Amino acid sequence: DGGITQSPKYLFRKEGQNVTLSCEQNLNHDAMYWYRQDPGQGLRLIYYSQIVNDFQKGDIAEGYSVSREKKESFPLTVTSAQKNPTAFYLCASSPGQGFSGANVLTFGAGSRLTVL
Amino acid sequence: RKEVEQDPGPFNVPEGATVAFNCTYSNSASQSFFWYRQDCRKEPKLLMSVYSSGNEDGRFTAQLNRASQYISLLIRDSKLSDSATYLCVVTPSTGGFKTIFGAGTRLFVKA
Repeated sequence: DGGITQSPKYLFRKEGQNVTLSCEQNLNHDAMYWYRQDPGQGLRLIYYSQIVNDFQKGDIAEGYSVSREKKESFPLTVTSAQKNPTAFYLCASSPGQGFSGANVLTFGAGSRLTVL
Repeated sequence: RKEVEQDPGPFNVPEGATVAFNCTYSNSASQSFFWYRQDCRKEPKLLMSVYSSGNEDGRFTAQLNRASQYISLLIRDSKLSDSATYLCVVTPSTGGFKTIFGAGTRLFVKA
């Protein structure tokens, strides 16, 4: 079945450490996204990528970095510069402009990061 | 003012009840509208798109009022399995890359 796989599901990090969250999709979608969700709040966009080797900052990109070297993969690194990284991180993809359902997002199961 | 606003609830309703959720958005140029469902500690999943003419999917009916910048979701004959958080989602006319999510409305359906 096509879908999005995120790993790890749970991650604990000590302050000052960088961590990388994996996101892989086999939906052949052009666009991929990273969102952060905090309790009682809506999803906030961290980074998005419309095409391989290109990505754009979202609303809360500070302290995060991404790469898009392959269409299927969009890893997110949470750096030590992110002051409050404990959150639920969601990766999503969409077909992209010009395709049916261009704006419909499909999400992975999420990665829950806790900083100790 | 938030770009997408929803009543956070929670809405507590008995099985079989009809419940309605409302959502307002601030960008009049918004193009696409959706309702997503999110179960506790899970990822959001698309419930339904919202079309200008209104649309129905089984027990669920979505309405869009562009003049008032207002979206609604009606759930009829509520089931226990409908208990979840319902997210209102709006995409601007420039494309899907700045999709805006409301904070969600929590629904509890009780036996």
